[in-house]
Amino acid sequence: KAGVTQTPRYLIKTRGQQVTLSCSPISGHRSVSWYQQTPGQGLQFLFEYFSETQRNKGNFPGRFSGRQFSNSRSEMNVSTLELGDSALYLCASSLTASSTDTQYFGPGTRLTVL
Amino acid sequence: EDQVTQSPEALRLQEGESSSLNCSYTVSGLRGLFWYRQDPGKGPEFLFTLYSAGEEKEKERLKATLTKKESFLHITAPKPEDSATYLCAVHGTGFQKLVFGTGTRLLVSP
Repeated sequence: KAGVTQTPRYLIKTRGQQVTLSCSPISGHRSVSWYQQTPGQGLQFLFEYFSETQRNKGNFPGRFSGRQFSNSRSEMNVSTLELGDSALYLCASSLTASSTDTQYFGPGTRLTVL
Repeated sequence: EDQVTQSPEALRLQEGESSSLNCSYTVSGLRGLFWYRQDPGKGPEFLFTLYSAGEEKEKERLKATLTKKESFLHITAPKPEDSATYLCAVHGTGFQKLVFGTGTRLLVSP
């Protein structure tokens, strides 16, 4: 079974631009969560989607948004990029949105903001 | 406030030198505790899920245990390929998200 895939793997943008990242979950998984990972803050929860609905959102500004499609694929968007948005963005999928379900991570998208 | 604390931050071992990593947590109603391994520049790789105190799980040289306040990841006779950052995360009834610790960076020298 194919794992979680994320595209693109690397991205370089400049301040003020916007970016869209994509995530395809493991086949059959309906929940997708997004995380931001930086050396200083570790893994920080962004948001979770299940059946095209956002179930939970982390403590990030409104510039960070996401959506999920009917095939469970998900995208996240960051508008008006800031230098501090440089990070590894990770997507994780799980079978359902249950808190006991294991989340499986993709390889991440490395975003660099210049 | 729900918290996850991992110790030590970094650990250097000689090949074959067994040790343990600690993950202590404060959560209202543990639903699951998860261990992941992360190599530089890659996404976390799932290792174990533990659900209740007293539970233990093993995989090759790794063994995870759980008490009501902490979890240990025991590494027996480690090899250089075990070098990675090990992350602990918890999911409780009081919050609807996975909360991660900052990880333990393990370096195993030949």
